[in-house]
Amino acid sequence: RKEVEQDPGPFNVPEGATVAFNCTYSNSASQSFFWYRQDCRKEPKLLMSVYSSGNEDGRFTAQLNRASQYISLLIRDSKLSDSATYLCVVNLSSNDYKLSFGAGTTVTVRA
Amino acid sequence: DAGVIQSPRHEVTEMGQEVTLRCKPISGHDYLFWYRQTMMRGLELLIYFNNNVPIDDSGMPEDRFSAKMPNASFSTLKIQPSEPRDSAVYFCASTKTGRGSYSPLHFGNGTRLTVT
Repeated sequence: RKEVEQDPGPFNVPEGATVAFNCTYSNSASQSFFWYRQDCRKEPKLLMSVYSSGNEDGRFTAQLNRASQYISLLIRDSKLSDSATYLCVVNLSSNDYKLSFGAGTTVTVRA
Repeated sequence: DAGVIQSPRHEVTEMGQEVTLRCKPISGHDYLFWYRQTMMRGLELLIYFNNNVPIDDSGMPEDRFSAKMPNASFSTLKIQPSEPRDSAVYFCASTKTGRGSYSPLHFGNGTRLTVT
């Protein structure tokens, strides 16, 4: 089993739609979780951290479910500029910094 | 803040040649990471350093790969000899810890390596 697994998609959605996807992780001791965004041929950039209580940043909502060991990302009112690959990132270590990336979920928003 | 700086941006070399990738982390960051990204395998952690000391190199694929961090502002990833399957984008990233929490990574622009 991979340490961090994501549905690769692609998710093709019209502008204004809501899209959501999950990421599962294998290490129950993982403490830190993030969503990164990567545009084609660019470096990954932090989208948002994921907190235990769930958090929202504008149109983006992240949730953590420790019991089932997954995190989720929901994008509301999607824009063309949201088209990208979204990478789930998990710190596999409980006492150090060892970030593992999922393979990414591709989202394409069409006009 | 200049961000994480990697060089070269592109490298094309022939099989068997030595390749050296360079990285300058953000000033004040105490962690430095080397990742490799391919279509087939996604982003793979190769090695990471804390305060210039290698902490985990279990992701380094084989002995042909080596990484050093002689000081807080410079790191290299060397492949010798290079092989076509090493073709990938190599990212360097840095971050700093503080107050028991872990901060997100800041990535460089990457080095796109092609080995023919």
